[in-house]
Amino acid sequence: QVRLQESGPGLVKPSETLSLTCSVSGGSIGSNYWSWIRQPPGKGLEWIGYVFYSGSTNYNPSLKSRVTISVDTSKNQFSLQLTSVTAADTAVYYCARDLNFGVNGGFDPWGQGTLVTVSS
Amino acid sequence: EIVLTQSPATLSLSPGERATLSCRASQTIRNYLAWYQQKPGQAPRLLISDASNRATGIPARFSGSGSGTDFTLIISNLEPEDFAIYLCQQRSSWPITFGQGTRLEIK
Repeated sequence: QVRLQESGPGLVKPSETLSLTCSVSGGSIGSNYWSWIRQPPGKGLEWIGYVFYSGSTNYNPSLKSRVTISVDTSKNQFSLQLTSVTAADTAVYYCARDLNFGVNGGFDPWGQGTLVTVSS
Repeated sequence: EIVLTQSPATLSLSPGERATLSCRASQTIRNYLAWYQQKPGQAPRLLISDASNRATGIPARFSGSGSGTDFTLIISNLEPEDFAIYLCQQRSSWPITFGQGTRLEIK
């Protein structure tokens, strides 16, 4: 079955750029939407944005000015960049297959998540 | 954006009992609601999509209902592994939003 795995630095300095990659295995990244979602420690989930395999994107307005999500179909990966980070961006970042354009909806499956801490 | 309010915040029950969890939307979302289970240190797991459709591999003791603004997740005959946090999520309009969760704890 499809599996997702996040990778990237666990520590980012304030004002710098957070960069994460999600590797998709067990299936093709094609014909699907893929999302990034984050969860600050002890808080709720926030949808960051999605990318379609063609490269089209949609972002949460709350983060839109700082977010870029891209896809590399040759590597079966998609990536997140978040610029000008602050402590408020400290969170567990998840990647997930986004089924919300499909018949039933939801995010499934999810990666295990990776904690990114913003600190100097 | 659509706000999802879950209640109660915490629900204390014993194994074998029935859990009833609520998710209310700030405006109508038709049936575009999903439910997830999240255990400590783990990613959420999709349980129910579009209000009442169980995801693949989800036991029949999990059932969802509702439409419009009021939704319910029922877990009948609670098993020890069911004690976790439950989250709802809407896909009716952008941005996609999640509820704050209900913690289901062992009494």
